[in-house]
Amino acid sequence: NAGVTQTPKFQVLKTGQSMTLQCAQDMNHEYMSWYRQDPGMGLRLIHYSVGAGITDQGEVPNGYNVSRSTTEDFPLRLLSAAPSQTSVYFCASSGGMSSYNEQFFGPGTRLTVL
Amino acid sequence: AQSVTQPDIHITVSEGASLELRCNYSYGATPYLFWYVQSPGQGLQLLLKYFSGDTLVQGIKGFEAEFKRSQSSFNLRKPSVHWSDAAEYFCAVGPLGSQGNLIFGKGTKLSVKP
Repeated sequence: NAGVTQTPKFQVLKTGQSMTLQCAQDMNHEYMSWYRQDPGMGLRLIHYSVGAGITDQGEVPNGYNVSRSTTEDFPLRLLSAAPSQTSVYFCASSGGMSSYNEQFFGPGTRLTVL
Repeated sequence: AQSVTQPDIHITVSEGASLELRCNYSYGATPYLFWYVQSPGQGLQLLLKYFSGDTLVQGIKGFEAEFKRSQSSFNLRKPSVHWSDAAEYFCAVGPLGSQGNLIFGKGTKLSVKP
């Protein structure tokens, strides 16, 4: 199993550009989520999904879109990048109650917005 | 409101010394409890978890944590720190019966002196 994979590892954008961060998992987990990590702030939940076709907002959803068309994939879209979105982004998946909500994390995407 | 507090932002210990990282949570019932470790430039790795039963749980890399219901705490300990333990440590709580969302503390950075 590859676990949770994320692409790209690094990305530099200009203000106003759009892009999609990719996330995939091969553990057949129903639950997937996106976090951003900023110094001194810990991890903050952006969006999450409890299954294909179902998504919901987390703590800091503004400026981000998600969709979940398959169990495996959960892309995060930045519609119009802003410098405030410079961060490290982590995708995670969980088997839910069957695994006591333990989350498995991808390696992260480091995004810089100029 | 649900929250996780890690009171120490940065701790420095000497190699071979003992370590205790503090974690307190605010939640209406006993949640699932986790400790994750993040080495520089890496994703998050699960150290240990508590769901129920014995309040002292053992994890990987020689770490252990003790759940104290009366103090709403889940402190992480290691009897003898190694230089490779230098990393950032995150405590997280996951409510029972949820879709899988975890609430993270802001993290404690551990430095190890030779």
